[in-house]
Amino acid sequence: DIVMTQSPDSLAVSLGERATINCKSSQSVLYSSNNKNYLAWYQQKPGQPPKLLIYWASTRESGVPDRFSGSGSGTDFTLTISSLQAEDVAVYYCQQYYSTPHMYTFGQGTKLEIK
Amino acid sequence: QVQLQESGPGLVKPSETLSLTCAVSGYSISSGYYWGWIRQPPGKGLEWIGSIYHSGSTYYNPSLKSRVTISVDTSKNQFSLKLSSVTAADTAVYYCARDLLQLGFDYWGQGTLVTVSS
Repeated sequence: DIVMTQSPDSLAVSLGERATINCKSSQSVLYSSNNKNYLAWYQQKPGQPPKLLIYWASTRESGVPDRFSGSGSGTDFTLTISSLQAEDVAVYYCQQYYSTPHMYTFGQGTKLEIK
Repeated sequence: QVQLQESGPGLVKPSETLSLTCAVSGYSISSGYYWGWIRQPPGKGLEWIGSIYHSGSTYYNPSLKSRVTISVDTSKNQFSLKLSSVTAADTAVYYCARDLLQLGFDYWGQGTLVTVSS
């Protein structure tokens, strides 16, 4: 099974500063057939369902502010919030999709707070 | 706008079967895509349970496969989850979502808390 490990487990950043969350996969999620990383990022605020932010490791979902960016390839990925806003306080999850067999695995989550 | 809404009992007894339904509006399930179930124990992370295609093809998390059945009713534009032989470890918020495979889960229901207790 593919294991997704996020770091840190929690993070406190000042408003306007950069926040960086890491995600490491136990196996590569890069598919040579289309040179895409099957890695997504979600934001979950208290009492709400997760919200898809980024897919293919670096493609922002429609409507997601451009202060959110994703990077990385293979087994190591990063979610960056360039200038933290108060509404960004949430838990962030990475998630991989494995096509054979069809399977999804989430990271354990990273709690982002205001310093 | 695609909307999903979970429904079902909020309390299930140990050893019984958990049954939930996800009603989809704003999009016809028959048009395509996979549709999935994800759960989240209180205060914990997310776990994918399984997904179903509009044709009825299913994929399940291997760790739950022996207890899970997901079905689809295109005439009612909904899909359902059954989880058998539940224990307290199955207590969680259960979400339904549209499954875009490599593109992630883009539309989610609000979730429904299911507690397993006698």
